[in-house]
Amino acid sequence: AQSVTQPDIHITVSEGASLELRCNYSYGATPYLFWYVQSPGQGLQLLLKYFSGDTLVQGIKGFEAEFKRSQSSFNLRKPSVHWSDAAEYFCAASSNDYKLSFGAGTTVTVRA
Amino acid sequence: KAGVTQTPRYLIKTRGQQVTLSCSPISGHRSVSWYQQTPGQGLQFLFEYFSETQRNKGNFPGRFSGRQFSNSRSEMNVSTLELGDSALYLCASSGGGAGTDTQYFGPGTRLTVL
Repeated sequence: AQSVTQPDIHITVSEGASLELRCNYSYGATPYLFWYVQSPGQGLQLLLKYFSGDTLVQGIKGFEAEFKRSQSSFNLRKPSVHWSDAAEYFCAASSNDYKLSFGAGTTVTVRA
Repeated sequence: KAGVTQTPRYLIKTRGQQVTLSCSPISGHRSVSWYQQTPGQGLQFLFEYFSETQRNKGNFPGRFSGRQFSNSRSEMNVSTLELGDSALYLCASSGGGAGTDTQYFGPGTRLTVL
């Protein structure tokens, strides 16, 4: 069955420190991959997406993600976290079936 | 360009009632998808519409239904509400040409069932 896994439920990081959120997928073929962010009480905002080509993808708000086929992973990174990055982050995948399958999400807390 | 809009933003209903939620996609987008978000089950796909046709449906009971109008606006309906239907219902739109099109989400409708 197709699935997306985010192993970390909650991550706490200091402001200014680097951040890495993990995402693994299980699909028959490489799906299209996305990272979304959700602030409390809000909808989902697209951070970045990977379809093909360069395995390092740049997104908004200083985020980037690296696709690794051998590890079935699509990890999200940010070199220096700001307090406004505190939110819940979702990895999602799509395989031409008109729907997104989401991971369980990772909540990021930023401490001063 | 205006984003995806959902109405109402908040809704309180009692068990057994029915509810209709509305979604207006980004201008020019022809695909609308619906998702349910709960703390226990996370984000789950409900259904997707393109040109008034349902192309995919998630694993939800028949009490959950939807439709799309000729202007691409969509509604979803939940009949005979249960306490477990309390959730944030998110609508997303995309161009719709391909099954992997990027989906853009609205702010959601928070449904509380008492």
